[in-house]
Amino acid sequence: AQSVTQLDSQVPVFEEAPVELRCNYSSSVSVYLFWYVQYPNQGLQLLLKYLSGSTLVESINGFEAEFNKSQTSFHLRKPSVHISDTAEYFCAVSDRGADGLTFGKGTHLIIQP
Amino acid sequence: ETGVTQSPTHLIKTRGQQVTLRCSSQSGHNTVSWYQQALGQGPQFIFQYYREEENGRGNFPPRFSGLQFPNYSSELNVNALELDDSALYLCASSLEAVVNTEAFFGQGTRLTVV
Repeated sequence: AQSVTQLDSQVPVFEEAPVELRCNYSSSVSVYLFWYVQYPNQGLQLLLKYLSGSTLVESINGFEAEFNKSQTSFHLRKPSVHISDTAEYFCAVSDRGADGLTFGKGTHLIIQP
Repeated sequence: ETGVTQSPTHLIKTRGQQVTLRCSSQSGHNTVSWYQQALGQGPQFIFQYYREEENGRGNFPPRFSGLQFPNYSSELNVNALELDDSALYLCASSLEAVVNTEAFFGQGTRLTVV
């Protein structure tokens, strides 16, 4: 069995400030790791993913996440946030079987002007 | 190329009733997964279908059932609705070969059970 812990339910941050959203997972097997974003009244959009190789992965809109195997973490960072980044962010893992994705409870990123 | 579409967008049902939710996969995708997202929670995996067969299931009772059709579209059926079934139901489609690495989600169906 696997689980995902997102340590912060809400993260308020000022516009243009840096942000880190924390994610820790537990699994007995190798996993794939994901960050999804959900805007109000919408479905989930894939932000970035780690499958293998370089532990630092980046998205097209300035987010990055680093896979840390020893700490079983996959924290999401952005050096300068914009008001349009306001959304719910979900960390997820997949154990490569047919059991779907396991999601954390989400972190609401609130950008203050 | 069309994305994943779900219908209806909103639905209100009475406790004890049955409901059917529908999902059209993204063009070319042969695998469909369904998730339940309760208010303030992350999505939870219900089940997955490939080639019209259920090939993965989460911790949901049998009153949650599904179908996948030859065109890869899918239905989620819930019998004997309970108040706790109120949630956003999300469908995700992918290619079987990359089902664990590339899933595209629809906008969801908001089900309210009263």
